[in-house]
This record gives sequence, C-alpha cells and structure tokens, in this order.
Amino acid sequence: KAGVTQTPRYLIKTRGQQVTLSCSPISGHRSVSWYQQTPGQGLQFLFEYFSETQRNKGNFPGRFSGRQFSNSRSEMNVSTLELGDSALYLCASSPRGVESPLHFGNGTRLTVT
Amino acid sequence: GQSLEQPSEVTAVEGAIVQINCTYQTSGFYGLSWYQQHDGGAPTFLSYNALDGLEETGRFSSFLSRSDSYGYLLLQELQMKDSASYFCAVRDGDYKLSFGAGTTVTVRA
Repeated sequence: KAGVTQTPRYLIKTRGQQVTLSCSPISGHRSVSWYQQTPGQGLQFLFEYFSETQRNKGNFPGRFSGRQFSNSRSEMNVSTLELGDSALYLCASSPRGVESPLHFGNGTRLTVT
Repeated sequence: GQSLEQPSEVTAVEGAIVQINCTYQTSGFYGLSWYQQHDGGAPTFLSYNALDGLEETGRFSSFLSRSDSYGYLLLQELQMKDSASYFCAVRDGDYKLSFGAGTTVTVRA
C-alpha cells in the first residue's frame, strides 16, 4: 500500500499570502488529521476530518482551515500568513480516527518570509 | 488544558536499556501512544496502551498506569538506529490528540 503523501514538500511564502497544502491518505483510511511541528511548540494538533466532516479542532486561529473530499484526500489552508506560521505541517491518516495508530506523511516544510 | 511531561534528552550506549517516562494531565483519557521520529523524517507509530499494564513489541515495551497518569516507553538492546526523538501522545475526552515535547535519544557506540 502506498503511504501518506503530502504535497508540496517545501514551500516559501511571504507574509499576508495564503497557502494550501494537500494530503492523500492511505487507501481505505477515512480519518485525516493535521499537525504543526515547530522546535519551540513541538507537535500540535490542528484538526481531524472523518468522512468529510471535521470531527475535532485544536487551538489555532480561524486562519487555519481544512476540508476533506469524498475520496478522503484532505487539504489544509492557511490565510494571511504570519512569520510564526513557519513550520513543518504533518498530515496523518488512520482507519478509524486518532484513537488508532496514525500513519504520518513526510510533511510540508513551510517557510514564511 | 492538556499537558504531557517527558524528559528532553537521554543518552545511552549501544546495548543498554533506556526508559522514557511520560506523565500527563488531561480531561478524559482514551489511551497513551508512542511515536518515533528520526531527523527529517515522519513520526512512526510504536505502541499504544489503553489499559493498565505492559505492552511488548520486540525490543520496545510500553507501560501505562492510569491511576498515576503515567506511562513509559522502554527501549531495550539499544542500537545506533534508535537515535531519534520519541513522543508520547494522549487522546483526551474530546478525542483530541496531545503530544509531549519529545525526548531526544542519543545512542553512543
């Protein structure tokens, strides 16, 4: 089975712009969750989608949003980028949700200048 | 809010045993997981404890005590390839997943 695929791998944006990140889960996995990883804050939960519905959301501002399509692929959008949004964004999929083992993608490294 | 505490660094020699502790404070609890992440890589799942006791998976074992809000990951017969960061993660009553800050394990020859 193919693993979780995230595109793009690297992205450089300037403050004020918006960005869309993509995640293709493992075939058959209905849950996709997103995480922000930074040296200072570690791994922080952004949100989880299950069967196209947002099941949960972390403590991030409304500039961070996401969605899931009928084929379980997911996108994450960040609007009005700030310097502090520079991070590694990880997507993970699982068969049932965050209670089951997560399979992570290699992430998208976002740099905001 | 949720909080998870784990040591920031551990150094040990090849063949040794390392224990990484994780204490947590969450509103509700649905299980403690452990993930390994090598530099530049994606986190990979190691183990999961929903009930008290020890779970063994090869050289790695994980333990949970729900009454103490405490768990640990035990790495036995350390190998150089075990040098990585290890994260504990707790699923709380709202089904949100919170991660500890991570423990960097360095294995020396």
